[in-house]
Amino acid sequence: GENVEQHPSTLSVQEGDSAVIKCTYSDSASNYFPWYKQELGKRPQLIIDIRSNVGEKKDQRIAVTLNKTAKHFSLHITETQPEDSAVYFCAASDMNRDDKIIFGKGTRLHILP
Amino acid sequence: DAGVIQSPRHEVTEMGQEVTLRCKPISGHDYLFWYRQTMMRGLELLIYFNNNVPIDDSGMPEDRFSAKMPNASFSTLKIQPSEPRDSAVYFCASSRFTGAKNIQYFGAGTRLSVL
Repeated sequence: GENVEQHPSTLSVQEGDSAVIKCTYSDSASNYFPWYKQELGKRPQLIIDIRSNVGEKKDQRIAVTLNKTAKHFSLHITETQPEDSAVYFCAASDMNRDDKIIFGKGTRLHILP
Repeated sequence: DAGVIQSPRHEVTEMGQEVTLRCKPISGHDYLFWYRQTMMRGLELLIYFNNNVPIDDSGMPEDRFSAKMPNASFSTLKIQPSEPRDSAVYFCASSRFTGAKNIQYFGAGTRLSVL
């Protein structure tokens, strides 16, 4: 089945700087790549997603890029703010079923004042 | 809609006891997922249902774990007997799969502590 690797596991950036979180996936047939944000003590929530027929998608300060050839996708957060502090999970649809997604292990992002 | 509702929010039990976690999905959603979250293993998919039918239970750790979905508005995850290593946060999520998107909406989770 699908395997999703996520790096780094922890990331600290100064407020106002950019943050980048990277993921790789194993199955070239995966075609849906969502990102979820989980604030401390809260539930994971979708923040952005991308399908394999699109190379980049942007929503205000967040963007996701996808390189299908290399099986890489990344989350970019610009002009980081304190409320961006959270755990971010990437995910990829399973090779056999689009209705099933496999999560990476998460990146804990700290925004430093 | 109130979102995905899980109960209880916290459960503390002793090793060997039976634990039942409950979930009410969002009305109209046809998929329901059970996840376990730990620091070491992240978010693990345990089992998921489509139209109340279990589709994939390959993530269920062992026979001590079982899940049911008797109707479209209710699901349970049972652990019998419970062990300390089962301590984790258990999330239920639901979605309405359109073919293009599969946005999962998570419940608030049940924090389970097995002593």
